[in-house]
Formats: sequence, structure tokens, C-alpha cells
Amino acid sequence: NAGVTQTPKFQVLKTGQSMTLQCAQDMNHNSMYWYRQDPGMGLRLIYYSASEGTTDKGEVPNGYNVSRLNKREFSLRLESAAPSQTSVYFCASNQGLREKLFFGSGTQLSVL
Amino acid sequence: TQLLEQSPQFLSIQEGENLTVYCNSSSVFSSLQWYRQEPGEGPVLLVTVVTGGEVKKLKRLTFQFGDARKDSSLHITAAQPGDTGLYLCAGGGSGGGADGLTFGKGTHLIIQP
Repeated sequence: NAGVTQTPKFQVLKTGQSMTLQCAQDMNHNSMYWYRQDPGMGLRLIYYSASEGTTDKGEVPNGYNVSRLNKREFSLRLESAAPSQTSVYFCASNQGLREKLFFGSGTQLSVL
Repeated sequence: TQLLEQSPQFLSIQEGENLTVYCNSSSVFSSLQWYRQEPGEGPVLLVTVVTGGEVKKLKRLTFQFGDARKDSSLHITAAQPGDTGLYLCAGGGSGGGADGLTFGKGTHLIIQP
């Protein structure tokens, strides 16, 4: 089983460029999440989608937008990348809030 | 905002030694999850504890949820190099984060052969 699939694995951007991180899950989960992980900061929630058709801000949403395209797919967009957005990004899904999370393998993003 | 403090932040020990890592909060959680993350990968769930005082064992790993459901510990017996990784705790509760889960910052564990 594929589980949670994220693309791309690595990306380098210049300041001001835009990009979209893609995420898909094949477990028929209701909820999907985007986290960023930075040294010494742990996992911080950017946005989440509790169910298809809904999205909500997490702890650090500024500079990001999301789209829950359908039940399987949840994308994260950086409209104008900034060096502060250099991080490792993880997509995750679960059946519902506070349930076991399944994570993708991450996207390492560098903004120069 | 509920906070989970993990300690120690870093731990490097020799193969065969025992160790305990801690996850503490001033808030009550309805459940506590432990994840392990290896380099270049996402976190993977090890265990969920839901009852105060609950103890769960996973081979050489023993997880305990505090009686008051404010803290948890992970004890590893006879550590192996394969135990190396980042250990994260995450608390679930009615007052938790936007997604219902609050993550600690993690304990980096290195087991040297």
C-alpha cells in the first residue's frame, strides 16, 4: 500500500517564486494535514482539512494556501516563497481528529 | 495552548544500555501518542495510550501514561542501534491544538554500537 504520497521530494526555489506541494492518500481518510518541521521547533501545523470540502488554519498558516481537491488529495501552495519557508514539509492523514496520523516521507524545500 | 515538553532533547548511549525519555505537560490529555522518525522519513506511530496509569509494551519498549494523564514516559531496555531516531510524543485532548493533537519537540536518540 502506498499510504501517503508527497511530491516532490526535494525542491530549491528563489525568493518570490511560487510552487505547489502535492499530497495524496489511498486510505480513504477523512482528515488531511500539512506540517513543517524545523530544527528545535518540532512539528508545526500549517493547515488542515477535517473533511472533504473544509480547510482550517493551523499554528503557522501565513504565506501558505491549501486546496482539498477531493477526498484523496490535499495540496499546499507557496505563492511567493521566502527564505523563512525553508523547511521540511510533511503531509499526513487520519480517519479523524486526534486519531493515529499517517505521514508522507516529506519534502525538503530550500528557498534562496 | 497546551504544551508538551520532551526531555532530554538529545541522548547518546551505548548499545545494551537502558534509557527513559519523558513527555510532560501541565494540561490533561485524553490520549497520548508516541512516534519514531528516522532520517529522511515521516514519523511512524509506535503506540497510543488512553487510560491514566496505562502501561503498554512493544518488544523492548515500555510506554506509560501518567495517572493524571498529564505525562508519559518511554523506557527502552537494552537499546539497539536500530532504536536510533527522533521520538515524538503527541497529546490529544479537548483543549488541544487546532487539529486536536499537540506535538512535543522530540528527543533525538543515538545508540552507538
